Amino acid sequence: SYVLTQPPSVSVAPGQTARITCGGNNIGSKSVHWYQQKPGQAPVLVVYDDSDRPSGIPERFSGSNSGNTATLTISRVEAGDEADYYCQVWDSSSDSWVFGGGTKLTVL
Amino acid sequence: EVQLVESGGGLVQPGRSLRLSCAASGFTFDDYAMHWVRQAPGKGLEWVSGISWNSGSIGYADSVKGRFTISRDNAKNSLYLQMNSLRAEDTALYYCAKSGIAARRPFDYWGQGTLVTVSS
Repeated sequence: SYVLTQPPSVSVAPGQTARITCGGNNIGSKSVHWYQQKPGQAPVLVVYDDSDRPSGIPERFSGSNSGNTATLTISRVEAGDEADYYCQVWDSSSDSWVFGGGTKLTVL
Repeated sequence: EVQLVESGGGLVQPGRSLRLSCAASGFTFDDYAMHWVRQAPGKGLEWVSGISWNSGSIGYADSVKGRFTISRDNAKNSLYLQMNSLRAEDTALYYCAKSGIAARRPFDYWGQGTLVTVSS
């Protein structure tokens, strides 16, 4: 089955830019979605279809996808962005949704 | 306001069964696909099962195929997950999630989850 690989953790200082990667075989040919999950809360969709934002999500959240890597970029990071982030794709070969293992974003 | 409220979780012995429910409100339930996603304690997200708006398309993760059954009742705005032959590794917080009208759309709303613990 399709595997999505994320770094376990990313750390960034407030005001800087955080980049969270999601690796997969030819992931650039798939639509990638990103979720934010804060402790004790349900996940929230923050980017869909590689780079689109749902209403209510700040413009500081953006995404890109090419080749074997998709990236979630969070600009001007705030303390409130500290959370776990998960990428997701639809795997047509197994007819199933696949999540990455998640990345814990720490704001220093 | 979209609301998804899961119920039915609890402590169950290995090999037994449990049925989860998800009550939906704030949107036209029978227009959208729905899913169950679980999260084991301290672990990541795992898609469990999904069902199309009219129950015509259903899918399962390999880890639950043959043991779990997803269903929906559009007249009651409700989603269900029948879980049989439960194992310790099924212990998790189970989320109900709403998808899009078109096929293969991301999950734009999630419930708060119901905890299932499988233990003797």
